[in-house]
Amino acid sequence: AQSVTQLGSHVSVSEGALVLLRCNYSSSVPPYLFWYVQYPNQGLQLLLKYTTGATLVKGINGFEAEFKKSETSFHLTKPSAHMSDAAEYFCAVTNSGYSTLTFGKGTMLLVSP
Amino acid sequence: EAQVTQNPRYLITVTGKKLTVTCSQNMNHEYMSWYRQDPGLGLRQIYYSMNVEVTDKGDVPEGYKVSRKEKRNFPLILESPSPNQTSLYFCASSFGTTNEKLFFGSGTQLSVL
Repeated sequence: AQSVTQLGSHVSVSEGALVLLRCNYSSSVPPYLFWYVQYPNQGLQLLLKYTTGATLVKGINGFEAEFKKSETSFHLTKPSAHMSDAAEYFCAVTNSGYSTLTFGKGTMLLVSP
Repeated sequence: EAQVTQNPRYLITVTGKKLTVTCSQNMNHEYMSWYRQDPGLGLRQIYYSMNVEVTDKGDVPEGYKVSRKEKRNFPLILESPSPNQTSLYFCASSFGTTNEKLFFGSGTQLSVL
C-alpha cells in the first residue's frame, strides 16, 4: 500500500521568498505523484504530476517539483511567493492502475507581506 | 462550463436519518470518486468508480454506499448517518478510467447531530 508524509502542517514565508513544501512517499511499485492546491472554500485543483520521464516537473502558477527516487521525495517549490499562493497544499500518490489515490494530511502555506 | 456539481453545499441532519449527496459531472468522465476531508487527516477516499456499474471501496467505505447507474452521476448515500460522519465531502471525476487528473466539486459540509 502507498502512503504520503507531508512535513509541516503550516509553513510561513514572506512575499517574494522561496516556497518549499516537503513530501515523502512510500510505495511498493513505481509511484505516480501529484500536488494539489486547495484555496479557501473550494475544491482541490491539480498543480502538477509526475508519472514517468523527466524528474523535474513544472506545474501551474510557477510551481515545480522534483521526483527523487533515492530520497523517496517529491518536494514542491516556487522561487518567489505571492500573496495569492496562500492556500493548503496536498501531496498525493496513486497506485500504478490509477484507481486509488492517497493524500497526505496537507500543508497550509501562509504568505505575509 | 466544465464542472463537477455537488448538492447540497451544506447539510445538517440527525443520527439515523438517511441522506443522499448528489454528484454530477458534465465532462463525460469515466472515473469518479468520493473523499472526505477532516482537519489534520487530509482527504481520504471513500469509494470510486471506473465506469458505469463499476464501483469499488476506497480507504474508508464503512457507513457509505454509492451507485453508478449513469456516467454523469455518482451519488453518495448514508443509510444511517452517525456523528463520526460529520465531515467535508468532495466528489471528483477524471478523464478516462483513471484518476490521473481529478476535477473536484466545491464540497458538501455535513453535520450529523
